[in-house]
Amino acid sequence: ILNVEQSPQSLHVQEGDSTNFTCSFPSSNFYALHWYRWETAKSPEALFVMTLNGDEKKKGRISATLNTKEGYSYLYIKGSQPEDSATYLCALNQAGTALIFGKGTTLSVSS
Amino acid sequence: EAGVVQSPRYKIIEKKQPVAFWCNPISGHNTLYWYRQNLGQGPELLIRYENEEAVDDSQLPKDRFSAERLKGVDSTLKIQPAELGDSAVYLCASSFSGGYQETQYFGPGTRLLVL
Repeated sequence: ILNVEQSPQSLHVQEGDSTNFTCSFPSSNFYALHWYRWETAKSPEALFVMTLNGDEKKKGRISATLNTKEGYSYLYIKGSQPEDSATYLCALNQAGTALIFGKGTTLSVSS
Repeated sequence: EAGVVQSPRYKIIEKKQPVAFWCNPISGHNTLYWYRQNLGQGPELLIRYENEEAVDDSQLPKDRFSAERLKGVDSTLKIQPAELGDSAVYLCASSFSGGYQETQYFGPGTRLLVL
């Protein structure tokens, strides 16, 4: 069974702190990795789609890196703000077109 | 541009009752997905449509779940009869053609509680 692991499960930071999360996945048959942000009572919002080993993507204060050979991706948030509070999901597209999600990392940023 | 629309947003029913969820994907998107997120888990695919055709329904519990996508646009997911274990968030997503690099756009989900 394909397993996508995310760590930590949750974390709490202060406004202005920088933070990062990890997504680990099997490195074989890799096609693409997706990152989503899901705020309570809203739709999951797509952040990045990453396909190539060494990919780095950036959107404002959020960035992500990808290592397909060792099977991990990092998501970084620089200078966390309360509005960054959400659950961050990574999802692997291995061979078909259904996404296989991790359980998510829930971030809480206090002011 | 309107996003993926789902209704209802919340539903509370008693076990053994039927329930239906509706999804309207982004205009022009040919691929539609239904996912279920159980508490503490990531979303899991129930069924994927390419236009009107269900191309992957291997994870759909067919004894009680059914889905349809008439005319290749809106979709309905039904549970009959509902069980306590069906309490979850049901997410609908759509993409233009279903390619692995394509972003899947999600609706806000329907939160189902079965009592």
